[in-house]
Amino acid sequence: GQQLNQSPQSMFIQEGEDVSMNCTSSSIFNTWLWYKQDPGEGPVLLIALYKAGELTSNGRLTAQFGITRKDSFLNISASIPSDVGIYFCAGSAESNYQLIWGAGTKLIIKP
Amino acid sequence: NAGVTQTPKFQVLKTGQSMTLQCAQDMNHEYMSWYRQDPGMGLRLIHYSVGAGITDQGEVPNGYNVSRSTTEDFPLRLLSAAPSQTSVYFCASNGQGGTGELFFGEGSRLTVL
Repeated sequence: GQQLNQSPQSMFIQEGEDVSMNCTSSSIFNTWLWYKQDPGEGPVLLIALYKAGELTSNGRLTAQFGITRKDSFLNISASIPSDVGIYFCAGSAESNYQLIWGAGTKLIIKP
Repeated sequence: NAGVTQTPKFQVLKTGQSMTLQCAQDMNHEYMSWYRQDPGMGLRLIHYSVGAGITDQGEVPNGYNVSRSTTEDFPLRLLSAAPSQTSVYFCASNGQGGTGELFFGEGSRLTVL
């Protein structure tokens, strides 16, 4: 079946640093979504992308829908402690009812 | 605002036992779904429903049943629990005609011994 490769698996960063993570697909997607999951909670939508080349921001977060439609990236600028958590990409090639999910990027801030 | 409510939050079962995970949403969303989350594997779709009376299988449906008698409720049934079903289960709903922007519950952690 379809798979999403999300990298990196985890990141140790200093507060104030910029963060970048990405997802690649083996096939073309028509929707890319980025979610964040805090411990003990369900994922929460951060950014949704619907067109190739689309660049969308949500505060300090910026995500782009790759021009090839097979990848997407998420950037976080000037990280703060509340940014810790697991970030998931998800995409859909056909019906939006069947999302394919990446394995997640765990963000950890160094003390 | 309750959103998506899942019960129970934690459950321990013995192999072969049956149980139902409950999911309710108060947003009048037509679409509801169940996912399981295992370490290092992201979320995998078990079953979904696009409206009352309509259900369909996702990526990993074996061992699970669902029904959708009302818009609000979408229970997930484990008929004969197996250790491989140890996981965290999430219910999610979508009210925007299938855009993929899901609202998730807080999850139900199930352990099968």
